[in-house]
This record gives sequence, C-alpha cells and structure tokens, in this order.
Amino acid sequence: EVQLVESGGGLVKPGGSLRLSCAASGFTFSNAWMSWVRQAPGKGLEWVGRIKSKTDGGTTDYAAPVKGRFTISRDDSKNTLYLQMNSLKTEDTAVYYCTTDLGYYDSSGYRHPKFDPWGQGTLVTVSS
Amino acid sequence: DIQMTQSPSSVSASVGDRVTITCRASQGISSWLAWYQQKPGKAPKLLIYAASSLQSGVPSRFSGSGSGTDFTLTISSLQPEDFATYYCQQANSFPPWTFGQGTKVEIK
Repeated sequence: EVQLVESGGGLVKPGGSLRLSCAASGFTFSNAWMSWVRQAPGKGLEWVGRIKSKTDGGTTDYAAPVKGRFTISRDDSKNTLYLQMNSLKTEDTAVYYCTTDLGYYDSSGYRHPKFDPWGQGTLVTVSS
Repeated sequence: DIQMTQSPSSVSASVGDRVTITCRASQGISSWLAWYQQKPGKAPKLLIYAASSLQSGVPSRFSGSGSGTDFTLTISSLQPEDFATYYCQQANSFPPWTFGQGTKVEIK
C-alpha cells in the first residue's frame, strides 16, 4: 500500500524554524517527484514547492511566498522527504501535506503534475 | 500566476442529484486541469486529471470536461460519501501550480 506519513509539526514563534518530515512507503521513492502543499485553517490549498527525483536532476522549485525561507530535500536511502522552514511568519500557519507528483507527459514532452497520494498532513502553528 | 476561480462556492444538493461545479482559469490552460475531493479533516484525493481522465479507482459518476479557460466537474448521481469540498488545479503553467478556492457540496 502506498503511504505517506508527515511528522514534525507543532507550535513555533514567529522568526523560528521547524523541519517537517514525510516518510514514504509502498512505492519506489527514489523515482518520485514530490511536492509540499499547505492549507491554512478554513482556507484552500496552496502549493509550496517540489523536488524532482535525482535521476531527473533533483532540483527544487518554490512558491514565491516561501522562496528563500523554505528548503525541500530528500533522503532516498531513508525514503523520506523534508521541508526545512526558517524565518517563519504567522501566515505560514497551516496543515502541511506531502504528496507524490505522479506526472504525465503531453505530446510535446511537457510534464504535467497529478498529485496522488497525499499524506494525512501535519499542523504548523506560528504564534507568539 | 494563473488564477483559478470556482463557482459556486457552495451548493446544497440531495442524494441522487446531478451536481455541476465550474472552474475558470485566468488564461488558457489547454486541457491541463485536475480535480480533487477533500473531506473534513482529511487529505485531498485526486479524482480527475487532464480535464477528463478519471483517476484509477474513482467512481464513474464523476466526470470532467472543458478546455481553454472553462472547465466543469459533474457528479451524475450524488452519493452520501460525495459530500465534500472540491478543488480544481491548473497543471499547465509553472511555477506555481495553483488551485481554485474550493466548492463545498452540502446536504440539502
């Protein structure tokens, strides 16, 4: 069974740091592109960032609100995805989900995302 | 960034009803759109990708259509387990990937 389990959430003061983990099982994690998506309380979904598989370069991309503060990394030997969050702001308060970007290619070779499955999420609260 | 706008924000319906949700992109995205279902306190679940392709395991009462800027998600006969919030997501222009604000399907 494909499974993603996030951990590491909690209460942190503005300006603080937190590292989230996402443990993957049931599929070949090293081949997977992975994303983080967050959801502020009572709000919609916001894509945070992604990391490609190492065979596809292992590069990362981020949404503008978190660029320069958040870092996504992966340890394929541990089947684990990470989200290092620094300089946290109150507006970063959200449930953070990790998700597998299965992806599919169009006729021109462009890769389009489809996010499946998702972890259960971990709550990050930034408050003084 | 491409803005995704869903309508309505909420809809009240009864079991057995046909429900249609609309998603509009701020610019053309061809057929590169996905739909997700989220139940309270749970993670989102992929329903449809490439505007009309049903994800494996998703019931056939769910269908998607559209291209360019206008898309629809249709539930042909609403079931009790379908009461949830639905999100569209554009899969054409990156970064970032963007979602609609959600449409809540409630019991009438």
